[in-house]
Amino acid sequence: SYELTQPLSVSVALGQTARITCGGNNIGSKNVHWYQQKPGQAPVLVIYRDSNRPSGIPERFSGSNSGNTATLTISRAQAGDEADYYCQVWDSSILFGGGTKLTVL
Amino acid sequence: QVQLVQSGAEVKKPGASVKVSCKVSGYTLTELSMHWVRQAPGKGLEWMGGFDPEDGETIYAQKFQGRVTMTEDTSTDTAYMELSSLRSEDTAVYYCAKSSGSYYDSFDYWGQGTLVTVSS
Repeated sequence: SYELTQPLSVSVALGQTARITCGGNNIGSKNVHWYQQKPGQAPVLVIYRDSNRPSGIPERFSGSNSGNTATLTISRAQAGDEADYYCQVWDSSILFGGGTKLTVL
Repeated sequence: QVQLVQSGAEVKKPGASVKVSCKVSGYTLTELSMHWVRQAPGKGLEWMGGFDPEDGETIYAQKFQGRVTMTEDTSTDTAYMELSSLRSEDTAVYYCAKSSGSYYDSFDYWGQGTLVTVSS
């Protein structure tokens, strides 16, 4: 079965760029979606179909997908970006990555 | 404005069933692909199943087949998820989530979540 691999945690200095990866076999051939989840809240869609931002999501959030790795990039990281981030794909079933905790230092 | 409003927290004994509701406003349920996702305490997101409006079928994750039933009441625009034979490992927050387009698309709106606690 298909698996998605995310780092457990990523740290970024305030104002710098954070990159969160999502690995999977030939993931570049799939549509990847990204969600942000803050403690006690429901997930929020931040990137859909690899690189598209829903309305209301800051331009600081961007996505890319190629080969075996999809990447969520958060530019000019803010304290409010601290959250868990999940990637999601469809491969015979809907799958989520294990999630990455982003810490803004 | 789309809103998904779920029913309140539940406490169930092992072996019992639970039925969680998700009331949709701002859309007609028949226009949607509605899914259910759960999250155990301190764990990640786990997809349980969803409705594919193109072929009119509900597809369940293999892990839950035989134990979960997802239904819809189109007269009230309310979706339901029933999970049976509950065990302690089913303790989780259960979310309904609306697909942004087809069955295969991202989830652009989520309910607020319903905590289900399974404990003797």
